[in-house]
Amino acid sequence: RKEVEQDPGPFNVPEGATVAFNCTYSNSASQSFFWYRQDCRKEPKLLMSVYSSGNEDGRFTAQLNRASQYISLLIRDSKLSDSATYLCVVNLGGTYKYIFGTGTRLKVLA
Amino acid sequence: ETGVTQTPRHLVMGMTNKKSLKCEQHLGHNAMYWYKQSAKKPLELMFVYSLEERVENNSVPSRFSPECPNSSHLFLHLHTLQPEDSALYLCASSQGTGPQETQYFGPGTRLLVL
Repeated sequence: RKEVEQDPGPFNVPEGATVAFNCTYSNSASQSFFWYRQDCRKEPKLLMSVYSSGNEDGRFTAQLNRASQYISLLIRDSKLSDSATYLCVVNLGGTYKYIFGTGTRLKVLA
Repeated sequence: ETGVTQTPRHLVMGMTNKKSLKCEQHLGHNAMYWYKQSAKKPLELMFVYSLEERVENNSVPSRFSPECPNSSHLFLHLHTLQPEDSALYLCASSQGTGPQETQYFGPGTRLLVL
């Protein structure tokens, strides 16, 4: 089993749609979780950290489910500019070892 | 944004060449990283330096040799590479490794080995 697994997609959604991605992780000792966004041929950039209580930033909501060992990202009112690959990242905490998923590709269509 | 810079941005080299990738961070961070990103594969951690000391080496072939002369600069020296080493090489930095530390990436060096 991969340490961090994501559906590669692509998810093709119309503008204005709501879309959600999940990411599962295998190590129950994982302590910190992040979503990064990577545009084509660019570097990853932090989208948001994922807190135990869940967190929201504008149209983006992240949730953590420790019991089932997954995190989710919900995007509401999708914009064309949201088209990108979304990377799930897990850290065991106190270490430098960040484990990346392969990413989920989102295409928002006009 | 110029928090983390990398040079060169593109590099083509033969298998017998020697080249170096450079990374510089202007964020005052204590940790720096080298990652390899190949097509359809997740980022692979190669090396980690904390306060100029190597703290992680994920069994990377010896044809890749890192150097961290100070906390702001990181190099990756390349020699006798193989075509399968062609990839995007990303440098990143972070302040530390607390529960919510985040990494800031440079734009990467796209490497092609012929």
